[in-house]
Amino acid sequence: KQEVTQIPAALSVPEGENLVLNCSFTDSAIYNLQWFRQDPGKGLTSLLLIQSSQREQTSGRLNASLDKSSGRSTLYIAASQPGDSATYLCAVETSGSRLTFGEGTQLTVNP
Amino acid sequence: NAGVTQTPKFRILKIGQSMTLQCTQDMNHNYMYWYRQDPGMGLKLIYYSVGAGITDKGEVPNGYNVSRSTTEDFPLRLELAAPSQTSVYFCASSYSFSKGNTEAFFGQGTRLTVV
Repeated sequence: KQEVTQIPAALSVPEGENLVLNCSFTDSAIYNLQWFRQDPGKGLTSLLLIQSSQREQTSGRLNASLDKSSGRSTLYIAASQPGDSATYLCAVETSGSRLTFGEGTQLTVNP
Repeated sequence: NAGVTQTPKFRILKIGQSMTLQCTQDMNHNYMYWYRQDPGMGLKLIYYSVGAGITDKGEVPNGYNVSRSTTEDFPLRLELAAPSQTSVYFCASSYSFSKGNTEAFFGQGTRLTVV
């Protein structure tokens, strides 16, 4: 059974800092890995999707990497802003197009 | 472009009542999913569908039923609501891996309280 773990569970940083969120998964037989953002009381917004054959994806200040063999992904946020405050979820897609989610990292960026 | 639309946004049910959560998508995605999210937790898969007429159980299907009569709609039925079903429910859709981009799109959620 695929299990996804995100560390840390919560993170508080001052504005402008670069930060890394971690995601690990137990079964390396994945099709892709997706990072989502969730604002309080809202749905999930897709940030980045990395196919299993890719090593990283970038979108603006966000960079996600994937090391499938070791079962790890990182989400790097450069020059963090208060507007980045949210919960970040990673999910891996396995056979049958089923997404397995981690429990998320709650990020607070302080002005 | 509406994406994935869920109704209602909020609902309070009494124990033993039934209700249907509606979900529709306009992206012609073949895959659709229902997840629940309990406070401080990740999302758990309830049911999913790989196409019209095909549904399958996820991780936590007990107490729920689904149907998929069209590509666009994937309603979730709660029979005999219980307090343990108090949660936020998310519907999602995507293309299958064989169609290339499998990015998942989510609705805004339905917050359900069973009292």
